[in-house]
Amino acid sequence: GQSLEQPSEVTAVEGAIVQINCTYQTSGFYGLSWYQQHDGGAPTFLSYNGLDGLEETGRFSSFLSRSDSYGYLLLQELQMKDSASYFCAVGEGYSTLTFGKGTMLLVSP
Amino acid sequence: NAGVTQTPKFQVLKTGQSMTLQCAQDMNHNSMYWYRQDPGMGLRLIYYSASEGTTDKGEVPNGYNVSRLNKREFSLRLESAAPSQTSVYFCASREAGVNTEAFFGQGTRLTVV
Repeated sequence: GQSLEQPSEVTAVEGAIVQINCTYQTSGFYGLSWYQQHDGGAPTFLSYNGLDGLEETGRFSSFLSRSDSYGYLLLQELQMKDSASYFCAVGEGYSTLTFGKGTMLLVSP
Repeated sequence: NAGVTQTPKFQVLKTGQSMTLQCAQDMNHNSMYWYRQDPGMGLRLIYYSASEGTTDKGEVPNGYNVSRLNKREFSLRLESAAPSQTSVYFCASREAGVNTEAFFGQGTRLTVV
């Protein structure tokens, strides 16, 4: 089985940088993904890390350390529209996709 | 492109009633999923289908059944609804493989009274 741990809530101000951490336990690891979900909406894909290191996509970056079973999502130049829930997810095998409980990010002016 | 389409968007059931949630994707994906989302619990996997003709239990399968009707469609059935099944249900699909993005439907908000 798999389990993922991430903080339940993070707050930050516009323009700031915030990091959302995720630790995982899994019997077979096939990469760490991040998803964003605005209130009432569907989750949407942000990034994927299959190997150690940093992946950058615009204002968002994601990092993975497989030896530490740890990853994080870094959001830079925060905007009000970034207020949302963020989920890390791990794949085990080619099919399953297990999500963490999510981190609610609140961005204030 | 419609992506992943779920129906209905909202539903109220009485305890003991049955219903089927429908999901269809037009992206030719092999893998399809049903999740439920409850406050503070994240997305919990109910069932998944790795490919047409196969289905497997996820983390919370009790009280549910699924059918992978064809490559496009994956339905979730509640045979005898219970208040504990009040939740938001999401269907998702993705290509087979490790580095693939999951696409979600807009969700079904189910209330069981």
